[in-house]
Amino acid sequence: DTAVSQTPKYLVTQMGNDKSIKCEQNLGHDTMYWYKQDSKKFLKIMFSYNNKELIINETVPNRFSPKSPDKAHLNLHINSLELGDSAVYFCASSQGTRRTNTEAFFGQGTRLTVV
Amino acid sequence: GIQVEQSPPDLILQEGANSTLRCNFSDSVNNLQWFHQNPWGQLINLFYIPSGTKQNGRLSATTVATERYSLLYISSSQTTDSGVYFCAVPPSVSGGSNYKLTFGKGTLLTVNP
Repeated sequence: DTAVSQTPKYLVTQMGNDKSIKCEQNLGHDTMYWYKQDSKKFLKIMFSYNNKELIINETVPNRFSPKSPDKAHLNLHINSLELGDSAVYFCASSQGTRRTNTEAFFGQGTRLTVV
Repeated sequence: GIQVEQSPPDLILQEGANSTLRCNFSDSVNNLQWFHQNPWGQLINLFYIPSGTKQNGRLSATTVATERYSLLYISSSQTTDSGVYFCAVPPSVSGGSNYKLTFGKGTLLTVNP
């Protein structure tokens, strides 16, 4: 049983389209994240949610809108896709408080290609 | 924010060789993780190691929190060890919400048969 699963694994779409990536975790964690990995493999936080509440929005454009319907799910919707949005997007989860966090686990990634 | 530096950036080994990867971080943290990103892109957890030493098969890790570094040892390397190794830390103990990890740029390891 996959601990953190995200779909789809690959996404190819045209500029200007809107797309969503879904993420689910079955670890019972209360915190979920979206990270972006660029073409140079650099991983950077985009959003963090704790108990369905947005905690961190790391200066991500408004075109990116995360939604957490419950603690086990964190989806990412992207409007008006641009070429620069092409990257691998990782969902992750952990259990924690403001001062400390347990080990974070990552999904398998979604490779988004905007053409 | 906290800075994370990994060295070396690239490493090429012959199968069977040993190696040490280093992760330096700029401030006190209360945990640290090592990950392996395999050639298929999966991020695999290796160690969650706030301090001390842990071992898992041919891999071991040591974090010296007071000196702000961690080391990942790979012994008797195999071709399946190839990929990128990342370390990641939360914000410093003294500042910022803990709800994120800052990653180093990684070490690209290639193990040749």
